[in-house]
Amino acid sequence: AQKVTQAQTEISVVEKEDVTLDCVYETRDTTYYLFWYKQPPSGELVFLIRRNSFDEQNEISGRYSWNFQKSTSSFNFTITASQVVDSAVYFCALSEAKGTGFQKLVFGTGTRLLVSP
Amino acid sequence: DAMVIQNPRYQVTQFGKPVTLSCSQTLNHNVMYWYQQKSSQAPKLLFHYYDKDFNNEADTPDNFQSRRPNTSFCFLDIRSPGLGDAAMYLCATSSGGGLAGADTQYFGPGTRLTVL
Repeated sequence: AQKVTQAQTEISVVEKEDVTLDCVYETRDTTYYLFWYKQPPSGELVFLIRRNSFDEQNEISGRYSWNFQKSTSSFNFTITASQVVDSAVYFCALSEAKGTGFQKLVFGTGTRLLVSP
Repeated sequence: DAMVIQNPRYQVTQFGKPVTLSCSQTLNHNVMYWYQQKSSQAPKLLFHYYDKDFNNEADTPDNFQSRRPNTSFCFLDIRSPGLGDAAMYLCATSSGGGLAGADTQYFGPGTRLTVL
């Protein structure tokens, strides 16, 4: 069965600090997809990134970067120079690459990030 | 610019009084999903529509129903809300074309339901 573990329940940092959110996954599939979503206090889940299992290149988007390592089944998310607006709950998720149509996302339990001024 | 819209954002209902939450999308996506999210938990999938085909998750209570009258709209009906149904309800869509796993789900802002 698939599983996503986000061991960090809550992280508190001061603005401008770098912070890494950990995500470890389990799957028996060779082809799968990993996601990160941000959920600010307003409630909407905002899509941040999708990564397929064959692409282990790290990705950088502004202050955000992602490190995907199949050897350790991890897909970690780093925010550089954090800002108060980064305060949110961040979810890591996994989906299988089976079939067409419906996508079943397996979510981690989320990490709450608090960035104080 | 809003792509997935949910109304209302906040809904208060009484114990046992039926309530309907609505979701609309401008993405013309084939798949629409309803999730329930309780405080400090991950979203939990209730059901989804692939076009007009309805698919219930095995552990979704019978109290929850859904309707999709057309591509753009999807409704969540809670027939007799209990106190345990108080939660955030999130609607999401995905294109449904190609490989499902490679799809991306886009979420609406959610409806926070309070049951008195």
